[in-house]
Amino acid sequence: DTAVSQTPKYLVTQMGNDKSIKCEQNLGHDTMYWYKQDSKKFLKIMFSYNNKELIINETVPNRFSPKSPDKAHLNLHINSLELGDSAVYFCASSHPGGRDATGELFFGEGSRLTVL
Amino acid sequence: QKEVEQNSGPLSVPEGAIASLNCTYSDRGSQSFFWYRQYSGKSPELIMSIYSNGDKEDGRFTAQLNKASQYVSLLIRDSQPSDSATYLCAVSNTGKLIFGQGTTLQVKP
Repeated sequence: DTAVSQTPKYLVTQMGNDKSIKCEQNLGHDTMYWYKQDSKKFLKIMFSYNNKELIINETVPNRFSPKSPDKAHLNLHINSLELGDSAVYFCASSHPGGRDATGELFFGEGSRLTVL
Repeated sequence: QKEVEQNSGPLSVPEGAIASLNCTYSDRGSQSFFWYRQYSGKSPELIMSIYSNGDKEDGRFTAQLNKASQYVSLLIRDSQPSDSATYLCAVSNTGKLIFGQGTTLQVKP
């Protein structure tokens, strides 16, 4: 049983198109995240939701719109895709307890987006 | 200055040797520190967390923290080829996790 699952794993699309990535976790975690990993492996937070409420919104273009219908799901919609959006997008969730839950992340397998 | 800095490597060590991975961070107020391992084409997975100055050992892994020097390190004893991966240092800061760019470790048989 996959703990954090993302779909699709691969997306190849043209510039200007719109695409969505879906994420679901069955760990019972309250907090979910979207991270972007570029070609140099640099992993950067984009958004964080706690129990459906947006709590972190980094300086991400407003073409990126997250949506959390419930605490087990976090989706990412991207409008008007650009070449620079090509990356691997990771969904993650964190344990509600622990000393610093924000650091103890469980990642999905990633969604590799290629914009042509 | 990057918030979390690591040497991207690659760091190459022979099988059985000790691999030493280093990380520095800029925010002196950071309280929580983590090491993640990422195999090629896979997602990051947490391998160590450390919150207090000193050493923390878990099997072949030892994390070291020196808050005065703003320095975190990860030692891997008896390195195995299966340890070959990218190791990401991460620092928790105001409710979000900031990652370094990662150090690629190659363990040669």
